[in-house]
Amino acid sequence: DIQMTQSPSSLSASGGDRVTITCRASQSISRYLHWYQQKPGKAPKLLIYGATNLQSGVPSRFSGSGSGTDFTLTISSLQPEDFATYYCQQSYSTPRTFGQGTKLEIK
Amino acid sequence: EVQLVESGGGLIQPGGSLRLSCAASAFSVSRNYMNWVRQAPGKGLEWVSVMYSDGTIYYGDSVEGRFTISRDNSKNKLYLQMNSLRAEDTAVYYCASETSRRDNAFDIWGQGTMVTVSS
Repeated sequence: DIQMTQSPSSLSASGGDRVTITCRASQSISRYLHWYQQKPGKAPKLLIYGATNLQSGVPSRFSGSGSGTDFTLTISSLQPEDFATYYCQQSYSTPRTFGQGTKLEIK
Repeated sequence: EVQLVESGGGLIQPGGSLRLSCAASAFSVSRNYMNWVRQAPGKGLEWVSVMYSDGTIYYGDSVEGRFTISRDNSKNKLYLQMNSLRAEDTAVYYCASETSRRDNAFDIWGQGTMVTVSS
Protein backbone atom coordinates (compact mmCIF):
# COMPACT_ATOMS: atom_id res chain seq x y z
CA ASP A 1 0.00 0.00 0.00
CA ILE A 2 1.12 3.56 -0.69
CA GLN A 3 1.53 5.62 2.46
CA MET A 4 0.71 9.32 2.37
CA THR A 5 2.34 11.62 4.91
CA GLN A 6 1.20 15.19 5.39
CA SER A 7 2.98 17.95 7.23
CA PRO A 8 2.36 19.74 9.39
CA SER A 9 -0.44 17.96 11.27
CA SER A 10 -1.72 21.30 12.46
CA LEU A 11 -1.03 24.89 11.58
CA SER A 12 -2.01 28.23 13.08
CA ALA A 13 -2.25 31.17 10.75
CA SER A 14 -3.93 34.54 10.36
CA GLY A 15 -6.22 35.94 7.72
CA GLY A 16 -4.22 37.09 4.70
CA ASP A 17 -1.33 34.70 5.38
CA ARG A 18 0.18 32.48 2.72
CA VAL A 19 0.06 28.85 3.81
CA THR A 20 1.68 25.72 2.41
CA ILE A 21 0.85 22.13 3.28
CA THR A 22 3.00 19.28 2.05
CA CYS A 23 2.19 15.68 1.20
CA ARG A 24 4.71 12.94 0.54
CA ALA A 25 3.96 9.55 -1.00
CA SER A 26 5.93 6.43 -0.07
CA GLN A 27 6.49 5.75 -3.79
CA SER A 28 5.99 7.63 -7.01
CA ILE A 29 2.35 8.34 -7.80
CA SER A 30 2.94 10.49 -10.89
CA ARG A 31 0.28 13.23 -10.78
CA TYR A 32 -2.46 11.13 -9.13
CA LEU A 33 -2.64 13.30 -6.06
CA HIS A 34 -5.71 15.19 -4.90
CA TRP A 35 -6.49 17.67 -2.14
CA TYR A 36 -9.72 17.90 -0.13
CA GLN A 37 -11.05 20.40 2.37
CA GLN A 38 -13.27 19.26 5.22
CA LYS A 39 -15.17 21.42 7.67
CA PRO A 40 -16.63 20.04 10.92
CA GLY A 41 -19.71 17.91 10.37
CA LYS A 42 -19.41 18.12 6.60
CA ALA A 43 -18.26 15.80 3.84
CA PRO A 44 -14.86 16.42 2.25
CA LYS A 45 -14.83 18.72 -0.76
CA LEU A 46 -12.49 18.28 -3.71
CA LEU A 47 -10.18 21.29 -4.16
CA ILE A 48 -7.36 20.16 -6.43
CA TYR A 49 -7.14 17.09 -8.65
CA GLY A 50 -4.25 15.68 -10.61
CA ALA A 51 -1.82 17.57 -8.35
CA THR A 52 -2.30 20.94 -10.04
CA ASN A 53 -5.84 21.26 -11.41
CA LEU A 54 -8.33 23.50 -9.66
CA GLN A 55 -11.75 21.92 -9.25
CA SER A 56 -14.59 23.96 -10.73
CA GLY A 57 -15.88 26.59 -8.32
CA VAL A 58 -12.82 26.56 -6.07
CA PRO A 59 -11.24 30.00 -5.51
CA SER A 60 -8.00 30.71 -7.34
CA ARG A 61 -6.15 31.40 -4.08
CA PHE A 62 -5.85 27.61 -3.83
CA SER A 63 -3.11 25.99 -5.90
CA GLY A 64 -1.29 22.69 -6.04
CA SER A 65 2.10 21.60 -7.26
CA GLY A 66 4.35 18.58 -7.40
CA SER A 67 4.71 15.22 -9.05
CA GLY A 68 6.21 11.86 -8.23
CA THR A 69 6.41 11.72 -4.43
CA ASP A 70 6.33 15.32 -3.20
CA PHE A 71 3.34 17.64 -3.42
CA THR A 72 2.17 20.93 -1.96
CA LEU A 73 -1.09 22.73 -1.45
CA THR A 74 -0.80 26.50 -1.19
CA ILE A 75 -3.39 29.01 -0.08
CA SER A 76 -2.14 32.40 -1.21
CA SER A 77 -4.13 34.62 1.15
CA LEU A 78 -6.15 32.97 3.88
CA GLN A 79 -9.80 33.84 4.14
CA PRO A 80 -12.01 33.13 7.18
CA GLU A 81 -13.77 30.28 5.38
CA ASP A 82 -10.45 28.48 4.73
CA PHE A 83 -9.99 27.39 8.33
CA ALA A 84 -10.64 23.67 8.03
CA THR A 85 -8.86 20.34 7.78
CA TYR A 86 -7.09 19.43 4.55
CA TYR A 87 -6.35 15.94 3.26
CA CYS A 88 -4.27 14.65 0.41
CA GLN A 89 -5.17 11.39 -1.33
CA GLN A 90 -3.57 9.22 -4.00
CA SER A 91 -5.44 7.43 -6.77
CA TYR A 92 -2.39 5.88 -8.41
CA SER A 93 -3.21 2.47 -6.98
CA THR A 94 -5.75 0.61 -4.88
CA PRO A 95 -6.19 0.86 -1.95
CA ARG A 96 -6.74 4.57 -2.32
CA THR A 97 -5.01 6.17 0.65
CA PHE A 98 -5.31 9.49 2.42
CA GLY A 99 -2.87 11.57 4.36
CA GLN A 100 -3.57 11.98 8.06
CA GLY A 101 -4.86 15.51 7.59
CA THR A 102 -3.69 19.04 8.37
CA LYS A 103 -5.86 21.13 10.66
CA LEU A 104 -5.63 24.80 9.80
CA GLU A 105 -6.57 26.96 12.76
CA ILE A 106 -6.91 30.65 13.40
CA LYS A 107 -3.94 32.21 15.18
CA GLU B 1 -28.55 18.19 -9.37
CA VAL B 2 -25.80 15.59 -9.08
CA GLN B 3 -25.81 14.19 -5.57
CA LEU B 4 -25.33 11.15 -3.37
CA VAL B 5 -27.45 10.46 -0.30
CA GLU B 6 -26.49 7.81 2.23
CA SER B 7 -28.83 6.08 4.65
CA GLY B 8 -28.98 3.06 6.92
CA GLY B 9 -26.67 4.06 9.72
CA GLY B 10 -27.49 3.64 13.39
CA LEU B 11 -26.57 2.02 16.68
CA ILE B 12 -25.70 -1.66 16.46
CA GLN B 13 -24.24 -4.13 18.94
CA PRO B 14 -20.81 -5.69 18.39
CA GLY B 15 -21.09 -8.71 16.14
CA GLY B 16 -24.19 -7.34 14.46
CA SER B 17 -24.92 -6.47 10.84
CA LEU B 18 -26.02 -3.33 9.06
CA ARG B 19 -26.59 -2.39 5.42
CA LEU B 20 -25.84 1.10 4.22
CA SER B 21 -27.37 2.56 1.07
CA CYS B 22 -26.20 5.33 -1.20
CA ALA B 23 -28.73 6.75 -3.66
CA ALA B 24 -27.43 8.64 -6.67
CA SER B 25 -29.20 11.42 -8.51
CA ALA B 26 -28.41 12.78 -11.96
CA PHE B 27 -25.67 10.25 -12.65
CA SER B 28 -25.28 6.49 -12.85
CA VAL B 29 -23.61 4.41 -10.14
CA SER B 30 -23.04 1.65 -12.69
CA ARG B 31 -21.01 3.87 -15.02
CA ASN B 32 -18.72 5.28 -12.34
CA TYR B 33 -16.21 4.03 -9.83
CA MET B 34 -18.08 4.11 -6.52
CA ASN B 35 -16.31 4.15 -3.18
CA TRP B 36 -17.08 3.93 0.50
CA VAL B 37 -14.90 6.04 2.81
CA ARG B 38 -15.25 6.23 6.58
CA GLN B 39 -14.17 8.60 9.31
CA ALA B 40 -14.02 7.57 12.94
CA PRO B 41 -14.91 10.29 15.46
CA GLY B 42 -12.13 12.86 15.58
CA LYS B 43 -9.99 10.90 13.12
CA GLY B 44 -8.97 11.10 9.49
CA LEU B 45 -10.43 9.61 6.34
CA GLU B 46 -10.10 5.87 5.70
CA TRP B 47 -10.89 4.29 2.36
CA VAL B 48 -13.12 1.21 2.76
CA SER B 49 -14.12 -0.25 -0.60
CA VAL B 50 -14.62 0.43 -4.31
CA MET B 51 -16.75 -1.02 -7.07
CA TYR B 52 -15.61 -0.24 -10.57
CA SER B 53 -17.98 0.22 -13.48
CA ASP B 54 -16.97 -3.23 -14.79
CA GLY B 55 -17.90 -4.80 -11.43
CA THR B 56 -14.37 -5.21 -10.09
CA ILE B 57 -14.32 -4.87 -6.31
CA TYR B 58 -11.62 -4.08 -3.76
CA TYR B 59 -11.67 -3.79 0.03
CA GLY B 60 -9.42 -2.30 2.64
CA ASP B 61 -7.60 -4.76 4.87
CA SER B 62 -9.58 -3.75 7.96
CA VAL B 63 -12.93 -4.77 6.42
CA GLU B 64 -11.96 -7.57 4.02
CA GLY B 65 -14.12 -10.63 4.64
CA ARG B 66 -16.67 -8.73 6.74
CA PHE B 67 -18.01 -6.03 4.41
CA THR B 68 -19.57 -6.46 0.97
CA ILE B 69 -20.07 -3.72 -1.59
CA SER B 70 -22.79 -4.06 -4.20
CA ARG B 71 -25.06 -2.01 -6.41
CA ASP B 72 -28.54 -2.14 -7.87
CA ASN B 73 -28.46 -0.58 -11.30
CA SER B 74 -32.26 -0.45 -11.58
CA LYS B 75 -32.47 1.60 -8.38
CA ASN B 76 -29.24 3.50 -9.07
CA LYS B 77 -28.01 2.66 -5.59
CA LEU B 78 -24.76 1.52 -4.01
CA TYR B 79 -24.74 -0.61 -0.87
CA LEU B 80 -22.35 -1.65 1.87
CA GLN B 81 -23.31 -4.76 3.79
CA MET B 82 -21.41 -4.75 7.07
CA ASN B 83 -21.21 -7.96 9.10
CA SER B 84 -19.38 -8.93 12.29
CA LEU B 85 -19.24 -5.30 13.31
CA ARG B 86 -16.66 -4.17 15.83
CA ALA B 87 -16.32 -1.11 18.02
CA GLU B 88 -13.55 0.13 15.71
CA ASP B 89 -16.03 0.24 12.81
CA THR B 90 -17.76 3.17 14.51
CA ALA B 91 -17.54 6.03 12.02
CA VAL B 92 -19.33 8.28 9.60
CA TYR B 93 -19.57 6.38 6.32
CA TYR B 94 -19.47 8.36 3.07
CA CYS B 95 -20.08 7.15 -0.44
CA ALA B 96 -18.03 8.96 -3.05
CA SER B 97 -17.87 8.86 -6.82
CA GLU B 98 -14.47 8.66 -8.49
CA THR B 99 -14.06 10.09 -11.99
CA SER B 100 -11.41 9.44 -14.59
CA ARG B 101 -12.14 12.93 -15.96
CA ARG B 102 -10.39 14.24 -12.86
CA ASP B 103 -7.55 11.74 -12.59
CA ASN B 104 -9.71 9.47 -10.42
CA ALA B 105 -10.32 12.06 -7.73
CA PHE B 106 -13.40 11.69 -5.54
CA ASP B 107 -15.44 14.57 -6.92
CA ILE B 108 -18.89 13.80 -5.51
CA TRP B 109 -19.52 12.90 -1.87
CA GLY B 110 -22.64 12.12 0.07
CA GLN B 111 -23.40 13.79 3.38
CA GLY B 112 -22.47 10.65 5.33
CA THR B 113 -24.32 8.28 7.66
CA MET B 114 -23.19 7.53 11.21
CA VAL B 115 -22.61 3.97 12.36
CA THR B 116 -22.11 3.37 16.07
CA VAL B 117 -21.06 -0.09 17.25
CA SER B 118 -21.60 -0.36 20.96
CA SER B 119 -23.29 -2.56 23.53
